[in-house]
Amino acid sequence: DQQVKQNSPSLSVQEGRISILNCDYTNSMFDYFLWYKKYPAEGPTFLISISSIKDKNEDGRFTVFLNKSAKHLSLHIVPSQPGDSAVYFCAAPGVMNYGGSQGNLIFGKGTKLSVKP
Amino acid sequence: NAGVTQTPKFQVLKTGQSMTLQCAQDMNHEYMSWYRQDPGMGLRLIHYSVGAGITDQGEVPNGYNVSRSTTEDFPLRLLSAAPSQTSVYFCASSTRGVYNEQFFGPGTRLTVL
Repeated sequence: DQQVKQNSPSLSVQEGRISILNCDYTNSMFDYFLWYKKYPAEGPTFLISISSIKDKNEDGRFTVFLNKSAKHLSLHIVPSQPGDSAVYFCAAPGVMNYGGSQGNLIFGKGTKLSVKP
Repeated sequence: NAGVTQTPKFQVLKTGQSMTLQCAQDMNHEYMSWYRQDPGMGLRLIHYSVGAGITDQGEVPNGYNVSRSTTEDFPLRLLSAAPSQTSVYFCASSTRGVYNEQFFGPGTRLTVL
């Protein structure tokens, strides 16, 4: 049973436009979410995160929105650039039954973003 | 500061062979994990460790073994390689805590024939 879901395997946008990548989760114990970016032949790199006490977090061109009631988050990239073309993973920290950290992440399947010049 | 390093970058094995994927970090991180990435499957957790001497199974542990004798190293052993273990393997580390940004190595691409 997938706890973190990214239902769009791919997304194509024009340079300069907005990219919106979506993520849903099922585990109500999740209270922190991360987005990772992955280029081919490289390891994932951390992009941006959000705590459940917030509904928005911005970092330059990247903004993550969290809707706890809908168990949904989204990553907005504005404006999109060709260098943003990569696979984006949504993730949440694995938690023990009592709430303690397992020290790992539960990932969605990823969305491949292509930004066309 | 090298971060998380993995060796080898590429490996081809025959079915039934064994090998060890190496992972080391120089950030004094307590938490280390191994993931595999398969097309359309995202990253799935194989094994993880919350400190030296402590390991536990993740989502897909079968066919793999780990140990953590030092803070720095977290090797992943394939006991008897199978074609289903063809994948890209990533090692990651992080500091203690729930809000743990994980740092990933560059990956090992393994093919089992």
